[in-house]
Amino acid sequence: DVKVTQSSRYLVKRTGEKVFLECVQDMDHENMFWYRQDPGLGLRLIYFSYDVKMKEKGDIPEGYSVSREKKERFSLILESASTNQTSMYLCATTSTGALLISYEQYFGPGTRLTVT
Amino acid sequence: AQSVTQPDIHITVSEGASLELRCNYSYGATPYLFWYVQSPGQGLQLLLKYFSGDTLVQGIKGFEAEFKRSQSSFNLRKPSVHWSDAAEYFCAVVRFSGGYNKLIFGAGTRLAVHP
Repeated sequence: DVKVTQSSRYLVKRTGEKVFLECVQDMDHENMFWYRQDPGLGLRLIYFSYDVKMKEKGDIPEGYSVSREKKERFSLILESASTNQTSMYLCATTSTGALLISYEQYFGPGTRLTVT
Repeated sequence: AQSVTQPDIHITVSEGASLELRCNYSYGATPYLFWYVQSPGQGLQLLLKYFSGDTLVQGIKGFEAEFKRSQSSFNLRKPSVHWSDAAEYFCAVVRFSGGYNKLIFGAGTRLAVHP
């Protein structure tokens, strides 16, 4: 079974802090994604990566950056956390390449981040 | 651009009753469609997917979905709901853009099950 783990289930940070959310997968998947989930808005894509050291902006990248130094690890960084970044953050992976269409994503359990 | 609408934010059914969750998509060609379920405190799990072929798709946990091109719909159904089906359900469609494929999710439908 694919296992996707996220570093924290719950996190509380102060406004202005730098926040790191980590995601690790154990199935050698090429593609990794960061979403945020908000009530009534579903999941929105923040950033994704199709290879090590490669990143692409999703639909809502403002205020976030990412890092992928190793294939199994994809980090989401909030350079200066703000209260409007309070949300549930979900990491996902998939084994298909960028142009293939199988596209079943495997999700981690999520990190609920509160910024005060 | 591809998009997904889930018209129902909350649905409540009695245990043992049938269930239908609605999903409408916007896309000119044949879409690639998914239903995911999120149990409380968990990540999302794939229930079923449709790419082509038979328009009635069987999934896990006794769920099925029917693709209807004429109605731009991909509704999720279950003949008899169990209390453990209480969760949030997301419909999603693949968006093709710039050589990278992305999943576009609906807002979700939260299902409550009465005993």
